[in-house]
Amino acid sequence: GNSVTQMEGPVTLSEEAFLTINCTYTATGYPSLFWYVQYPGEGLQLLLKATKADDKGSNKGFEATYRKETTSFHLEKGSVQVSDSAVYFCALISNFGNEKLTFGTGTRLTIIP
Amino acid sequence: DTGVSQNPRHKITKRGQNVTFRCDPISEHNRLYWYRQTLGQGPEFLTYFQNEAQLEKSRLLSDRFSAERPKGSFSTLEIQRTEQGDSAMYLCASSPAGTSGGAHEQFFGPGTRLTVL
Repeated sequence: GNSVTQMEGPVTLSEEAFLTINCTYTATGYPSLFWYVQYPGEGLQLLLKATKADDKGSNKGFEATYRKETTSFHLEKGSVQVSDSAVYFCALISNFGNEKLTFGTGTRLTIIP
Repeated sequence: DTGVSQNPRHKITKRGQNVTFRCDPISEHNRLYWYRQTLGQGPEFLTYFQNEAQLEKSRLLSDRFSAERPKGSFSTLEIQRTEQGDSAMYLCASSPAGTSGGAHEQFFGPGTRLTVL
């Protein structure tokens, strides 16, 4: 079946540091890949997505590239801010007709001023 | 506010009681999903609807769980004879219809947190 494995947290960084959160997946076929973010007290929001190999998703300074050869979709940001403190979830949807998201366990990120 | 709404936001109940949650999706979205999230875990798929038709149910959805979307608009999730293991955040999401492959974003509501004592 489909599964997503992401870097365990929590992750604590200083403001302006470089961020990488690792995500690898197992799926049949060619899934679409997502990063969702959950800010404190808020619902899940889509951060970025990529629907085919070598696509790069980007939003709010975050980027992730769909790497089929390594089955990875690592999240990166060059300079994090305190406002980036949140829980980040990597997820996929298989393209075999079902529409359910399969999520990783989430990575809690805290940015210190 | 035109986002996905869920009610109630919090529910505390005693073991053995029945509970019902409501989800109102974004009005033009015809797909609606239910997920469950336990502490420290990512959301897990429970079921989804296309309009009023329930198209897929997870094995997580035991016989005590039932979901409906009678007119293809709002949806309810009922849990009968609640157990302590049902304590979790129940999330609803909606999306517009489109091609398969997950190109369309699922928009999530704030969730209903259930505590079973």
